[in-house]
Formats: sequence, structure tokens, C-alpha cells
Amino acid sequence: EPEVTQTPSHQVTQMGQEVILRCVPISNHLYFYWYRQILGQKVEFLVSFYNNEISEKSEIFDDQFSVERPDGSNFTLKIRSTKLEDSAMYFCANRDFGFASTDTQYFGPGTRLTVL
Amino acid sequence: AQTVTQSQPEMSVQEAETVTLSCTYDTSESDYYLFWYKQPPSRQMILVIRQEAYKQQNATENRFSVNFQKAAKSFSLKISDSQLGDAAMYFCAYRSVQGAQKLVFGQGTRLTINP
Repeated sequence: EPEVTQTPSHQVTQMGQEVILRCVPISNHLYFYWYRQILGQKVEFLVSFYNNEISEKSEIFDDQFSVERPDGSNFTLKIRSTKLEDSAMYFCANRDFGFASTDTQYFGPGTRLTVL
Repeated sequence: AQTVTQSQPEMSVQEAETVTLSCTYDTSESDYYLFWYKQPPSRQMILVIRQEAYKQQNATENRFSVNFQKAAKSFSLKISDSQLGDAAMYFCAYRSVQGAQKLVFGQGTRLTINP
């Protein structure tokens, strides 16, 4: 069964540094999402992306965050200047679309981001 | 905005027994999807079961089944014949059929299986 993959699995960075989290989606999936889970808390929506543009973003997704598909396949989340409170697990999710779609979001294994 | 509430932070069950996890939600929409996701210690999010709001029949997947009460906005998960591998955090999630269709999650229930 196709899987969503994410790299790196764990990223440690200094406060104020830029990080890029990468996601390789399932090939025929057209909808992309990023979610965040601070340790011990619920999973929170950050942003959705479709047809090469953001379709919705949460209030968490401020100017420090950006998303893109740099090569038409990978899907990235960039945090320009990390803060301590950005420490969390970041999940990429994809959703398929179309007649045979299961219309379900499939999650990657997550990237644990630690900001020191 | 939609909200999802899981009122049981922790639950435990004896191996081979049945356990029910509760979830309620609030929405003004008539059509939507509901999901249960499992998160083991690896923190991977694994889909357990999904329910379309327009379907009256409760979804089932092997040992997992739901009790979907649309009028009461309730969506509980029943795990039968609990196994040690079922130990995990379980998240209930709501998804609209409109817009970007993001998932809205509850706070989660930590399920412990006692051998």
C-alpha cells in the first residue's frame, strides 16, 4: 500500500534558525495538509494546499510559516525563524480525489522538531 | 466552527474484553465525515475507521465498530476482543465536506490494555 513519507524523522535546531520539513505524498493525491501536535496535546490543523496554492490556513500559520511543492512532487513546510513553542510533531497528510477516491487523509510518520 | 470533545482522557481494559471510547462533536452542518485515528507510541497517525454522516448504518472494521448517533452528535468507538497492540492514543476527528476539508481533532483518549 502506498505510504506518505516525511524527512527528517527528528530535527533539532537552535531558536531563530530556519527549518524545512519535507513530505513525499502518495503519487495520485492532490490535497496536502500539515498538522502539528505539541507533546501531550491534540493534533492541530496548520494549512491545506491544493493546485499549487494554499486553500486554507489556521491562525497558527503566521508569516513565519510557508509551504510549497518545489519540484511538483515533494511538499515542504518551512519555518523561517523558529521559536521554542514551535517544538512539536509535524504531520503531513494527503487526500485523494476522484471517482475511486476513498476521500480519506493519510498521514505520514511525522517529523519531531525540537527547538533549543 | 466545529469542535470535537473526548471526555475520557484515559481508559483501561482487560485483554480480550470490550471497551468503548466516547466522542461528541458540535456542528451546524448536515453532511460530514467522522474518523477515529490511532496513535501508538511511535506517534504515527493510523486510520481506524470512518463514518459518513449521510449513512445510517454504523461502520465496522473487524474488531472495531462505531455507534453513530447523528441527532445526539455522538460518535463512539467500540473495540471488541481487545489486544495488547490496541494500546495507544485514540483521536476522534471531524471533517466537513465543504472547503479545504481539514480534520478537527478531539483531545484524545489514552487506552491501556491490561494483560
